[in-house]
Amino acid sequence: EVQLVESGGGFVQPGGSLRLSCAVSGFSFSSYAMSWVRQAPGKGLEWLSGVSDSGRSTYHIDSVKGRFTISRDNSKNTLYLQMNSLRDEDTAVYYCAKDQKYTWSDPGDAFDVWGQGTMVTVSS
Amino acid sequence: SYDLTQPPSVFVSPGQPASITCSGDKLGNKYVSWYQQKPGQSPVLVIYQDVNRPSGIPERFSGSNSGNTATLTISETQAMDEADYYCQAWDYPTWVFGGGTKLTVL
Repeated sequence: EVQLVESGGGFVQPGGSLRLSCAVSGFSFSSYAMSWVRQAPGKGLEWLSGVSDSGRSTYHIDSVKGRFTISRDNSKNTLYLQMNSLRDEDTAVYYCAKDQKYTWSDPGDAFDVWGQGTMVTVSS
Repeated sequence: SYDLTQPPSVFVSPGQPASITCSGDKLGNKYVSWYQQKPGQSPVLVIYQDVNRPSGIPERFSGSNSGNTATLTISETQAMDEADYYCQAWDYPTWVFGGGTKLTVL
């Protein structure tokens, strides 16, 4: 069974840091790109970051660039999101998602498996 | 930035067809995916590359994309289809989601 299990969420003050993990099983992790998508309370989905199958290619949207870093360890079948300088507006459920392709930038790509999500609350 | 516009809500009676639209500039030139999200659950891919259904998705779900509008159609809507639906497309260099449509079956 294909599974993505996120962990690492929690409550943090503005300016703080968290590292999210996404443990993967049931498929060849090193063959697919991975993404992080977040959903603020009561709001829609927002793609944040993508990493290629090898980990050599990454991208972050402007609002998190310089603060968040996506990475992966293919030997551990785990995806990460290091989040620094957190802001109130980063409060959301964070999902890891499996891309159908080996690269996150294929226009024909889609996210065919999602984790259960981990809640991040940023508040003073 | 590229915008995908969805109606906030769609209402349908059980057994009737439901259509959810997603509009964007020259969207027909892009591939569109659709995701279903039920309350408290993670999104599920229901359509990719405009018209393709992943394994396990019922045949009543179909998609189309032309001009400036992509459409998700549920042929005979069931109570279990009540959910939020999001469209998605690639606009270099990012993935863009529509704002979501709440489908109510009543």
